Amino acid sequence: SQKIEQNSEALNIQEGKTATLTCNYTNYSPAYLQWYRQDPGRGPVFLLLIRENEKEKRKERLKVTFDTTLKQSLFHITASQPADSATYLCALALDSSYKLIFGSGTRLLVRP
Amino acid sequence: DAGVTQSPTHLIKTRGQQVTLRCSPKSGHDTVSWYQQALGQGPQFIFQYYEEEERQRGNFPDRFSGHQFPNYSSELNVNALLLGDSALYLCASSLRYPYNEQFFGPGTRLTVL
Repeated sequence: SQKIEQNSEALNIQEGKTATLTCNYTNYSPAYLQWYRQDPGRGPVFLLLIRENEKEKRKERLKVTFDTTLKQSLFHITASQPADSATYLCALALDSSYKLIFGSGTRLLVRP
Repeated sequence: DAGVTQSPTHLIKTRGQQVTLRCSPKSGHDTVSWYQQALGQGPQFIFQYYEEEERQRGNFPDRFSGHQFPNYSSELNVNALLLGDSALYLCASSLRYPYNEQFFGPGTRLTVL
């Protein structure tokens, strides 16, 4: 069956450390993979997009890697801050149709 | 630029009723997608509109229907509401070409009693 798995347990880290979130997928061949941030009761906010032929993308303190062999994406936040506390969603797009398939998200808590 | 806007913010309905949710896309965007997000879950794709036509549809019954207007704004209609329809309904807009990110609105919280 097709699945997108994100760690359902919250990730609790100390301010200043690097947070690493994992997204694994099964029986999909995504053309694009995206990461979103979502705060309680609000819509997701786009963070990074990576294409199937790209290995890594960076934006300020954020980095995403995409391994199509392992069927895994890692999302890193360096020098984490309490303001980074939120739920982070991984989403796949199988083509350029804009139909996104989301994981259930991982909650990140950054302690001061 | 106001970004993606949705109305209303919250809505309470009873079983069997019908509801209409509205979305205005980000300026310059021509494609609107609708998602349903249950508590603790990721958003699930309902359908997508481009050039006033439904282009793709997720695994949702015909009770869910939509419309896109010439100004690219969109409506989501749900008939014969069920308790299980209670969720956050999200609208996302994008530019059809070239492929890039989707921008989400704040959502409409629908509660069905």
